[in-house]
Amino acid sequence: KQEVTQIPAALSVPEGENLVLNCSFTDSAIYNLQWFRQDPGKGLTSLLLIQSSQREQTSGRLNASLDKSSGRSTLYIAASQPGDSATYLCALGGANNLFFGTGTRLTVIP
Amino acid sequence: DTGVSQNPRHKITKRGQNVTFRCDPISEHNRLYWYRQTLGQGPEFLTYFQNEAQLEKSRLLSDRFSAERPKGSFSTLEIQRTEQGDSAMYLCASSLQGSVEQYFGPGTRLTVT
Repeated sequence: KQEVTQIPAALSVPEGENLVLNCSFTDSAIYNLQWFRQDPGKGLTSLLLIQSSQREQTSGRLNASLDKSSGRSTLYIAASQPGDSATYLCALGGANNLFFGTGTRLTVIP
Repeated sequence: DTGVSQNPRHKITKRGQNVTFRCDPISEHNRLYWYRQTLGQGPEFLTYFQNEAQLEKSRLLSDRFSAERPKGSFSTLEIQRTEQGDSAMYLCASSLQGSVEQYFGPGTRLTVT
């Protein structure tokens, strides 16, 4: 069974800092990896999707990497802003569903 | 219609009552998924449909849970004889067959008292 771990569980940084969120998984037989953002009490917003054959994806201030051999992914956020405060979830794509980690709760302090 | 919609957004019910949630996917999406998310956890897969066919069910989907998608468009998730442990956010997502990207709705938050 796929197990997904996200470290740290919570992170607080001052505005403007660059930061890295980590995601590790046990089964490298994945179709893809996605990073989502979830605001309190809300649904999920997809940030980046990396296909299993890719190593990284970039969108604006966000960069996600995937290393299947080591079972790791990172989400890099550059020049953090208070509006980035949310919970960030990584999800491994199986054949027909997603396996989620427990998330990292990020707070960016103005 | 620009996204997945779910109704109601919040539901408070007493233990033992039945509840039903509705999900309307993005109109051209033929795949529809249900997930459950408890406080402090990531979403967990419950079931998915391709058109009107329910193709996979998680072990989390006990006998008290039933999901339908009768015409291959909207879907309903019913929980019978609710228990306090059913309190969670129920998320719906949809996708195009052949696409890996799932689009999520805002969720229905269920509180069982």
